[in-house]
Amino acid sequence: AQSVTQLGSHVSVSEGALVLLRCNYSSSVPPYLFWYVQYPNQGLQLLLKYTSAATLVKGINGFEAEFKKSETSFHLTKPSAHMSDAAEYFCAVSPTDSWGKLQFGAGTQVVVTP
Amino acid sequence: DTEVTQTPKHLVMGMTNKKSLKCEQHMGHRAMYWYKQKAKKPPELMFVYSYEKLSINESVPSRFSPECPNSSLLNLHLHALQPEDSALYLCASSRIAGNEQFFGPGTRLTVL
Repeated sequence: AQSVTQLGSHVSVSEGALVLLRCNYSSSVPPYLFWYVQYPNQGLQLLLKYTSAATLVKGINGFEAEFKKSETSFHLTKPSAHMSDAAEYFCAVSPTDSWGKLQFGAGTQVVVTP
Repeated sequence: DTEVTQTPKHLVMGMTNKKSLKCEQHMGHRAMYWYKQKAKKPPELMFVYSYEKLSINESVPSRFSPECPNSSLLNLHLHALQPEDSALYLCASSRIAGNEQFFGPGTRLTVL
């Protein structure tokens, strides 16, 4: 079974500093990978996706993620944090042997300080 | 139209009530999903419909009954719920099962 692990349930960054959120997956076959963001009392918004094309994926709001097969990682970064980036971030994997079963990580709460 | 809509936004119901949640998308997606999300937790998959047929039921209690009347609509019928069923219920859709999913804003359900 495929799974995804997010390192760090809470991350605090200063406004203007680098945002780095870590995600590792376990799978013998590279799955599809996604990052979602959830603002308070809202649904999830897709930030970006990896579907076996380019390993460096650019998303919305200045975020990007790099797929590293050797490290089974898909870390999310943003060069300069903005106050509006404060939210919950979920990494998710779509197993290739069970289409439709999006497996989420536990989530990382990002706090941005002035 | 590039969004998933859900109604109602909030719902309060007693344990003997019958209510329904509604989800709609007009993106031509052929896969639709129901998730349950408790506070500070990731969404948990409940049901997947693919081409209007139920393809995945994650062992959800029968007090939750999904329905997909057509390719744009997804309902979740609720009956005899328990207080522990209180949560945010999210609907999502994707072009086909396995593609990226687009989520609605959710229905905040409180069971008294």
